[in-house]
Amino acid sequence: AQTVTQSQPEMSVQEAETVTLSCTYDTSENNYYLFWYKQPPSRQMILVIRQEAYKQQNATENRFSVNFQKAAKSFSLKISDSQLGDTAMYFCAFMKHDPGAQKLVFGQGTRLTINP
Amino acid sequence: NAGVTQTPKFQVLKTGQSMTLQCAQDMNHNSMYWYRQDPGMGLRLIYYSASEGTTDKGEVPNGYNVSRLNKREFSLRLESAAPSQTSVYFCASNRDRGWDEAFFGQGTRLTVV
Repeated sequence: AQTVTQSQPEMSVQEAETVTLSCTYDTSENNYYLFWYKQPPSRQMILVIRQEAYKQQNATENRFSVNFQKAAKSFSLKISDSQLGDTAMYFCAFMKHDPGAQKLVFGQGTRLTINP
Repeated sequence: NAGVTQTPKFQVLKTGQSMTLQCAQDMNHNSMYWYRQDPGMGLRLIYYSASEGTTDKGEVPNGYNVSRLNKREFSLRLESAAPSQTSVYFCASNRDRGWDEAFFGQGTRLTVV
């Protein structure tokens, strides 16, 4: 079974700073996908960024980028020029490449607060 | 385009009562899921349905039943609610190919007293 670990329950930074959220995972699979989801106070789950394990290039989406280290089974999220709207819970998630249903395994979450 | 719609958004139950959480998606997705979210534990999969007419257990299925009524709808039933089932419940859906994004409903906050 796969497991996902987020070792930082809470983080807090000043607006405009850069912050990195950590995520490690455990799997014996070779083909899989990794995701970061954001959950603001509204409770809505919003996809931030995703990474295919077979791609060595790190994914980027505007101010969001990842550092994917496959051998170390590490998948950290960097938020540059942080904004007040980035305040949210962030979940790292793993998805095994499988036919049929694509089930997500989530980490415990990191509560990120951006201070003005 | 509504996406994934869950009802109700909030519910308080007494121990032993039953209820059904409803979920519907309008994206023609094959796969649907029910997760529960508890503090410090992230989201955990309760049940899922890879296609209409099929359902399978996830990580924490005890105390729950599901029905995939048709391609659009996937309901979660608590037959005899327990305080341990106090949680936020999310329905999600995606296509069953590759790394398609999972779309989530807005969640149901359930309290069992």
